[in-house]
Amino acid sequence: SQQGEEDPQALSIQEGENATMNCSYKTSINNLQWYRQNSGRGLVHLILIRSNEREKHSGRLRVTLDTSKKSSSLLITASRAADTASYFCATDKAAGNKLTFGGGTRVLVKP
Amino acid sequence: DSGVTQTPKHLITATGQRVTLRCSPRSGDLSVYWYQQSLDQGLQFLIQYYNGEERAKGNILERFSAQQFPDLHSELNLSSLELGDSALYFCASSVGDRPGETQYFGPGTRLLVL
Repeated sequence: SQQGEEDPQALSIQEGENATMNCSYKTSINNLQWYRQNSGRGLVHLILIRSNEREKHSGRLRVTLDTSKKSSSLLITASRAADTASYFCATDKAAGNKLTFGGGTRVLVKP
Repeated sequence: DSGVTQTPKHLITATGQRVTLRCSPRSGDLSVYWYQQSLDQGLQFLIQYYNGEERAKGNILERFSAQQFPDLHSELNLSSLELGDSALYFCASSVGDRPGETQYFGPGTRLLVL
């Protein structure tokens, strides 16, 4: 079963706008990662945030983590048509590196 | 290109049959993971191997089995196939097996069971 839920399930925005998606999870974690998947292809790692971190930036990506609420958010600033993809959060627990994925958010960036 | 290769890209077979999916990890990676992506179950972890040994098991059916060979490539065997086994099967690899290590995903094998 999946670790958590992602919200919204789908998002449609104009190029240049920001896209925000949220992820909630159920159990304690070691790390939370975000992955991107383009149309049925393989997943690409975007960013990792550790459980003792609250915010992390990578280029146009900003990730926050609130362990008290068991939630994370991914912000993509100044979106581009190439950002059109599904975005998944994934968590790992203290032991091992297997990932538990959320349901994903489908993002459509219109030119 | 992640450096992880999977073959075949597409597979169409009939119920009751058996198939083998193959994965070659990135050069130097010792861990291989298998995931299944379907419309109803989403992305699910199946099994992990590290340097030839099974390291973690997820929601893998008894009809499914996997192994990692001495050259570190891995195979996922699916037998007595059912319609519900139709899905995308991904392989991923990482250097080790510590939490937080980046996993690099292959392009997947799309399995259709008719």
